[in-house]
Amino acid sequence: AQSVTQLDSQVPVFEEAPVELRCNYSSSVSVYLFWYVQYPNQGLQLLLKYLSGSTLVESINGFEAEFNKSQTSFHLRKPSVHISDTAEYFCAVTPRPLRAAGNKLTFGGGTRVLVKP
Amino acid sequence: NAGVTQTPKFQVLKTGQSMTLQCAQDMNHNSMYWYRQDPGMGLRLIYYSASEGTTDKGEVPNGYNVSRLNKREFSLRLESAAPSQTSVYFCASSETADNQPQHFGDGTRLSIL
Repeated sequence: AQSVTQLDSQVPVFEEAPVELRCNYSSSVSVYLFWYVQYPNQGLQLLLKYLSGSTLVESINGFEAEFNKSQTSFHLRKPSVHISDTAEYFCAVTPRPLRAAGNKLTFGGGTRVLVKP
Repeated sequence: NAGVTQTPKFQVLKTGQSMTLQCAQDMNHNSMYWYRQDPGMGLRLIYYSASEGTTDKGEVPNGYNVSRLNKREFSLRLESAAPSQTSVYFCASSETADNQPQHFGDGTRLSIL
């Protein structure tokens, strides 16, 4: 079984300041890792994912996350946030190897980011 | 460009009533999922369907049933609603049952009095 811990439930940040959202996971098997974003009254959208290869992955809107296997972490960062980044962010994992029985995501509790002008 | 469509968007039920939440996707995805979202707990998987004709329990299946009607549609039924089932329900789909990202609907906000 897997578990995901997002250490901060809320993160207030000023516009153009950097932000880091922390994610730690626990698993007895190797995992794939994801960050999803949820804007108010919407469903979740995939922000970025780590499957293999370079441990640093980037999104098209300036977010990046680094997989650290020894610390079982997948922290999300953005060097300069915008008002439009106000949302809830979820870290999620799913076990590898590939399984025919389903792609079952395990989510963290979420981190609300409030960007202030 | 609909993606995953959920109906209804909002619903209020009385304890003991039954209800079916509908979900349809137009991306020709094989796998579909139902989650519930509760404050501070993230999303928890209720049921999933890895492919048409199969369904399996997730983390919190008690009190729910599902039907994979065809490749496009995956419904979630509450036979006898309880206040503990007040939540936001999300349907999702993915191309296959592996590491492909899941695409989510906008959710159904369900209140049970």
